Formats: sequence, structure tokens, C-alpha cells
Amino acid sequence: GAGVSQSPSNKVTEKGKDVELRCDPISGHTALYWYRQSLGQGLEFLIYFQGNSAPDKSGLPSDRFSAERTGGSVSTLTIQRTQQEDSAVYLCASSLYRGTGRVAQYFGPGTRLLVL
Amino acid sequence: KQEVTQIPAALSVPEGENLVLNCSFTDSAIYNLQWFRQDPGKGLTSLLLIQSSQREQTSGRLNASLDKSSGRSTLYIAASQPGDSATYLCAVEETSGSRLTFGEGTQLTVNP
Repeated sequence: GAGVSQSPSNKVTEKGKDVELRCDPISGHTALYWYRQSLGQGLEFLIYFQGNSAPDKSGLPSDRFSAERTGGSVSTLTIQRTQQEDSAVYLCASSLYRGTGRVAQYFGPGTRLLVL
Repeated sequence: KQEVTQIPAALSVPEGENLVLNCSFTDSAIYNLQWFRQDPGKGLTSLLLIQSSQREQTSGRLNASLDKSSGRSTLYIAASQPGDSATYLCAVEETSGSRLTFGEGTQLTVNP
């Protein structure tokens, strides 16, 4: 079946503009994650959704970042008033229900964001 | 705070060599450890997942071991091929949260 898909694959924006990044998880996966990969910072966790539970937002770097997941499937990560330090690759992952640690996370190809 | 370290940061070997990549983590309260592969400009591909109760997992030419008490994992690649060239990342899922904490990766180059 189809894997995790993300759009757009590349995004160039001007400082101060808002951007929206989209993630379509693997069908049937109830857990969805956003990570960010930037030079010098490695891969860092941003936010986690599990079913109808309140999301774990503890990794979001500032209040300019927000995410939502509609209908338990598609997720959108929004960055308001973008800054140059937001330039990075934003990766989405999904997995079957967690709680046992027995399932892997499957990653999408990422969205490469460049803030000029 | 969990910290994951990978050694070496980069490795270049001739084709056919067997090699070992190392990963260490500071907090042993983990659900699992995953090894990923990342090709330039691409996302992550899951290679192996070892649950905290397991010692090792094997897939083809790859074998990953886990020693939770000492906070270490190794990824063994047998008979390396140029197609194995990529960055290899290890990540742990802690019991305290539902996120992965990643190492910085080992950049592997296998020369023909």
C-alpha cells in the first residue's frame, strides 16, 4: 500500500510569511508524528497525535508552530511569521497504535522549507 | 534527558567489508530502538526495530543488537555494497513519551 506522503516537497517563502505543510499518513495508522531535521540540530521531535487524545505538543519550539489532525487522518503543520531559523526538512511519520513499543514509525519523504 | 550518540560520524570502506556502526543512549527506560537509513535528499527508511525485551534482530545482511542495561546498540552490515552508502540513524523510544530521540547519524560510504 501507499506510504506516508507529504506536500509540498519543497517550499521557499519569505521571512514573515505563514506556511502550511501537509502529511497523509499510512491508512489505518492512528499515531502521527512531526519531526524537524536541520543542519547542526539533527532530528528533533515536534508533536505527536494519537487517535482522539490531546496531542503531545511538547516539542514545538515556539507558539508560532501549531498542528492539527482532521478526522484522525491528514495532518497540517502551520508555521506563522516564518523566520530564517525555521529553514529545515520537516518529516512526518505514522505508526499503528502505540503503548507496547512493538511497532515502527514509518516516515514520509519530508518537506524542505527554505525561509529567505 | 535522553541523549543518543553514534560513533563513528563517518565511515568509508571498500566493497565487501563487514562493518559495525555503534549507538549509545543514556537512559535505559526505553520501549525500543530503531535503526533507520537516510539517502541524500530523502526521508527515513526503517531497517530494524528491537524491542526492549529483545537482544537482536536480523534482516538480510543486517543484524542489530541491543544491550539495554549498558545503553548500547550495534548495527552489523555484512559484505557491504556500494548501494549501502547512506546515513544510518539510530533512535530510541522512551517509556516516558511517544517520541523518538535520534542520534546524529553515521555517514557510510562503500567504495566499489
